[in-house]
Amino acid sequence: TQLLEQSPQFLSIQEGENLTVYCNSSSVFSSLQWYRQEPGEGPVLLVTVVTGGEVKKLKRLTFQFGDARKDSSLHITAAQPGDTGLYLCAGARYSSGSARQLTFGSGTQLTVLP
Amino acid sequence: DAEITQSPRHKITETGRQVTLACHQTWNHNNMFWYRQDLGHGLRLIHYSYGVQDTNKGEVSDGYSVSRSNTEDLPLTLESAASSQTSVYFCASSKRSGVPYNEQFFGPGTRLTVL
Repeated sequence: TQLLEQSPQFLSIQEGENLTVYCNSSSVFSSLQWYRQEPGEGPVLLVTVVTGGEVKKLKRLTFQFGDARKDSSLHITAAQPGDTGLYLCAGARYSSGSARQLTFGSGTQLTVLP
Repeated sequence: DAEITQSPRHKITETGRQVTLACHQTWNHNNMFWYRQDLGHGLRLIHYSYGVQDTNKGEVSDGYSVSRSNTEDLPLTLESAASSQTSVYFCASSKRSGVPYNEQFFGPGTRLTVL
């Protein structure tokens, strides 16, 4: 059972366009992380959102955590070829004083064409 | 610099053989994880460890085992490799418990093919 659904699974856009990737769940998460993975490498953390409704910006990337902490979105403004990669959301549940495990979404493969 | 390494990076084996994938981290992290990555499934947790001598089963643990004899290493063993275990395997570590979120640091992955 995939607890975190990402959409779209694949996205191919032209340089300069804007895009949004979604991460949805029926479960509540204590926090949600977004990772980016490039070919032949492991995922690398971009951001962690913790509070419902929280918005974080990382240059041209804007991350939002849903009010109910069940969903998140990643918006990229004026995409560049360097943004190409696999974007993964990952949710953590806080229990027993710890939230060490992550549940990953299926990923969105983004290709930005020059 | 501290890092997390995996070996081998590529492995081809035959059905029924035992295979061990190595993971070594120099951050002195307590938490270590093994995932497999398949198209359409993201990362699925195989086994994890919160410290020396501690091991736990994840979502897809059947056919895999781990042992944690020191802080730095968490080897993953496929007891009798099956074609369904052809995948890319990632090891990860994170540094502490008692906080609501932990960044996980990933190794470069091992691409395993079972023929």
